[in-house]
Amino acid sequence: EPEVTQTPSHQVTQMGQEVILRCVPISNHLYFYWYRQILGQKVEFLVSFYNNEISEKSEIFDDQFSVERPDGSNFTLKIRSTKLEDSAMYFCASNVETQYFGPGTRLLVL
Amino acid sequence: RKEVEQDPGPFNVPEGATVAFNCTYSNSASQSFFWYRQDCRKEPKLLMSVYSSGNEDGRFTAQLNRASQYISLLIRDSKLSDSATYLCVVGNSGGYQKVTFGIGTKLQVIP
Repeated sequence: EPEVTQTPSHQVTQMGQEVILRCVPISNHLYFYWYRQILGQKVEFLVSFYNNEISEKSEIFDDQFSVERPDGSNFTLKIRSTKLEDSAMYFCASNVETQYFGPGTRLLVL
Repeated sequence: RKEVEQDPGPFNVPEGATVAFNCTYSNSASQSFFWYRQDCRKEPKLLMSVYSSGNEDGRFTAQLNRASQYISLLIRDSKLSDSATYLCVVGNSGGYQKVTFGIGTKLQVIP
């Protein structure tokens, strides 16, 4: 069964450093999303991406965040200068009808 | 009012019990409704979509009441493996899905 994959599974970084989280969506899906989940809180929408551009972004997705689809398979989320409050689980998702989620990247900012 | 509201629980139930979860949503224009299951520190996994006519998948039954903006999930004959957090998810229609998650309801099935 096709699945969304994400790398790395865990990342520890120092405050102020840049991180890139990678996702490979399901191959025939057209819409891609990034979500985050702070420990103990709900899943929050960050950004959606379609046809090589952002379709919608939330208030959380400020200038420190960017997304890219550098080739036909990868979909990346970059955080330019990480803050302590960026520590969370980051999920990538893709869909045709219903959204399927990747296993997530656990980001810890020290 | 929260966009998607759920009782966070936990609901502690014995094996074999029937348990029901409810969810309310604030946006009356919402068109798509889902229940996802999330195990501890894992990704949300689709349990079932929810349709106006109601739908059933084995021991799981989902209902939607658009007039009351209310969604329910019923689990019959609970198994230990049903222990997880159940996320109510509400969104728009169409290919691009803007969805909103509830906080989730934690279920613990006890032997």
